[in-house]
Amino acid sequence: EAGVTQFPSHSVIEKGQTVTLRCDPISGHDNLYWYRRVMGKEIKFLLHFVKESKQDESGMPNNRFLAERTGGTYSTLKVQPAELEDSGVYFCASSQDFPTSGGFEYEQYFGPGTRLTVT
Amino acid sequence: AQKITQTQPGMFVQEKEAVTLDCTYDTSDPSYGLFWYKQPSSGEMIFLIYQGSYDQQNATEGRYSLNFQKARKSANLVISASQLGDSAMYFCAMREESGANSKLTFGKGITLSVRP
Repeated sequence: EAGVTQFPSHSVIEKGQTVTLRCDPISGHDNLYWYRRVMGKEIKFLLHFVKESKQDESGMPNNRFLAERTGGTYSTLKVQPAELEDSGVYFCASSQDFPTSGGFEYEQYFGPGTRLTVT
Repeated sequence: AQKITQTQPGMFVQEKEAVTLDCTYDTSDPSYGLFWYKQPSSGEMIFLIYQGSYDQQNATEGRYSLNFQKARKSANLVISASQLGDSAMYFCAMREESGANSKLTFGKGITLSVRP
């Protein structure tokens, strides 16, 4: 079974440019999450999709960030225009079911991350 | 608001010895789950172990065990018989499980270095 994949693995862009990150979850996983880790800080939640719907987008930092999940499959996270403080590692994770009863079987499987550098 | 605290500086352990990585948490939700993830230098996040707030026994997964002390709100990870491949960053995380929110809240992480 293929794991969560993310593209690109690295991206270096200039301030003011646009970047689009892609995440392909594990096949059959309805839940898709985006997280971000800024250097030296905690990994922070950005948003959560259930299929194609945004379940929780409370972590999105501002309206320069736009996430989509067309058809409930892969997801994209667009940053437009990028700022210096957007630099960090963007992780995507997926899980197979809604953890109403908890348990590790609802663990979130993480992708390798996209390292974004804004110069 | 939920919070995870990992305050240890970089940790060092001799190969084959045991090491404890500290994690304390804060939440008002009576139902929650605690996770540990490993992030090696290659960057991927690897799930290690899970402890539910209502679990009566401490979780164990191979060489990993979780020392869960609910009253103290601590969930320390114990790695027994350390191996060189255990050198990595370790993140403690929590998920509140009473409501519809399933996001993970992470600590800052701890760097573990295993010496030969």
